[in-house]
Amino acid sequence: DADVTQTPRNRITKTGKRIMLECSQTKGHDRMYWYRQDPGLGLRLIYYSFDVKDINKGEISDGYSVSRQAQAKFSLSLESAIPNQTALYFCATKEGTNTGELFFGEGSRLTVL
Amino acid sequence: DAKTTQPTSMDCAEGRAANLPCNHSTISGNEYVYWYRQIHSQGPQYIIHGLKNNETNEMASLIITEDRKSSTLILPHATLRDTAVYYCIDTSWNDYKLSFGAGTTVTVRA
Repeated sequence: DADVTQTPRNRITKTGKRIMLECSQTKGHDRMYWYRQDPGLGLRLIYYSFDVKDINKGEISDGYSVSRQAQAKFSLSLESAIPNQTALYFCATKEGTNTGELFFGEGSRLTVL
Repeated sequence: DAKTTQPTSMDCAEGRAANLPCNHSTISGNEYVYWYRQIHSQGPQYIIHGLKNNETNEMASLIITEDRKSSTLILPHATLRDTAVYYCIDTSWNDYKLSFGAGTTVTVRA
């Protein structure tokens, strides 16, 4: 089983619908991240969480919200999806140390029509 | 915004070494250099990291200049499976803004 699991892997929805992308990890890491990737733009940070009680906005948080339900679970919600939120979304986890690397999920491809 | 700059793309012949440069113009003393790669649209994968000294692992070598303003990732014997987008970032344990730029698209040719 993957260390970082994202569901769903693919989703097509319509403008105005509420969408939730879920992420769960078995690494035991405190830190979790949500990224968005658009073609040619690298990965941009949406939200991050250092522990269950800590939620922080990243570069592009407008139109998104998150929930850290447990150490292992971090969900990303689009309250009212719009077409320019069509993108590939990645969840990642990391230890809270100097030398911890990011572990990424396989991604969730979202299409908003 | 990403804090590093990388060339947009580069080609490499199979079996030859690939040298990927990265500029870390704003790196500070407690920040590590990390390299990741992303194959197709899979989740990025960690390759290697370092602080000041050169590092080597089973995947690659990392050369960091003495002033730490630039680094080079070396893939010693590139294979077709090394075709990917390679990202360099610099970060410390409390640097929560872990953003990735567009990276370098490396194409290994037979």
